[in-house]
Amino acid sequence: EVQLQESGPGLVKPSQSLSLTCSVTGYSITSNYWGWIRKFPGNKMEWMGYISYSGSTSYNPSLKSRISITRDTSKNQFFLQLNSVTTEDTATYYCARYMPRPLYYFDYWGQGVMVTVSS
Amino acid sequence: DIVLTQSPVLAVSLGQRATISCRASQSVSISSINLMHWYQQKPGQQPKLLIYRASNLASGIPARFSGSGSGTDFTLTIDPVQADDIAAYYCQQSRESPFTFGSGTKLEIK
Repeated sequence: EVQLQESGPGLVKPSQSLSLTCSVTGYSITSNYWGWIRKFPGNKMEWMGYISYSGSTSYNPSLKSRISITRDTSKNQFFLQLNSVTTEDTATYYCARYMPRPLYYFDYWGQGVMVTVSS
Repeated sequence: DIVLTQSPVLAVSLGQRATISCRASQSVSISSINLMHWYQQKPGQQPKLLIYRASNLASGIPARFSGSGSGTDFTLTIDPVQADDIAAYYCQQSRESPFTFGSGTKLEIK
C-alpha cells in the first residue's frame, strides 16, 4: 500500500525557511509525480508544486520565487523548502501522489503536518 | 488562475440526497475529458479522493457517491446521506496549472 508521511518542525520564525520531508513507502518516487498542498486556517487549500518521476518540477506561480521541491531517490523521500516565510504561511502541509494523464488526480495523501510561523 | 466556487454549507437529513455544486470560472474540460475531481475531508484527517474526472468513482468509495457535470458546472451527489458522511467536500481542477481547489462545502445534518 502506498503511504506518505510528512515530517518537519511545527514552528518556524518569520523570515526563516520552512523545510519539510515526505517519506514514501510502498511505491517508488521515480514513478509518477509527487506534490505539496497546504490548507490554511479557514480551510482554503493551495497546490504548491510537484516533482516528477524524472526530477523536473512545477510550482505555483504565487510561490515561484520562494519554493523548492527536491528529492532523494535512495531514501524514497521528497522535500519542500519555502523561504522567507511570514505568518501567512501558517498552514497544514500535505504531501500527495499526483497521477498524471490520463488520470490527473491526487490519490494518496499524507496525514499532514501543521506548521505555525511565529516569533 | 481558475477559481472554483462552492457553497460553504449544506444541511441535509439522514437518508436524503445531498447535492454539492462546484462552478469553475472557465471550462475545465478538454474534449470529452472533464478535469474536475472531488475530495472528502473529515476533521483531523487528510483529504480522500472520492470522484475523479467528474464522474468516476475512486477505488473503495461507496456507490452512493456520484459525480456529474462538464465545462464549468459540476455536482457531487451523496444518496442516501449517512452519518459517516459528515465532512467537508472540495472540488479540484487539473485543467491547467496552477491546480486549484474550491473553498469547500461543509455537509451538516439537519
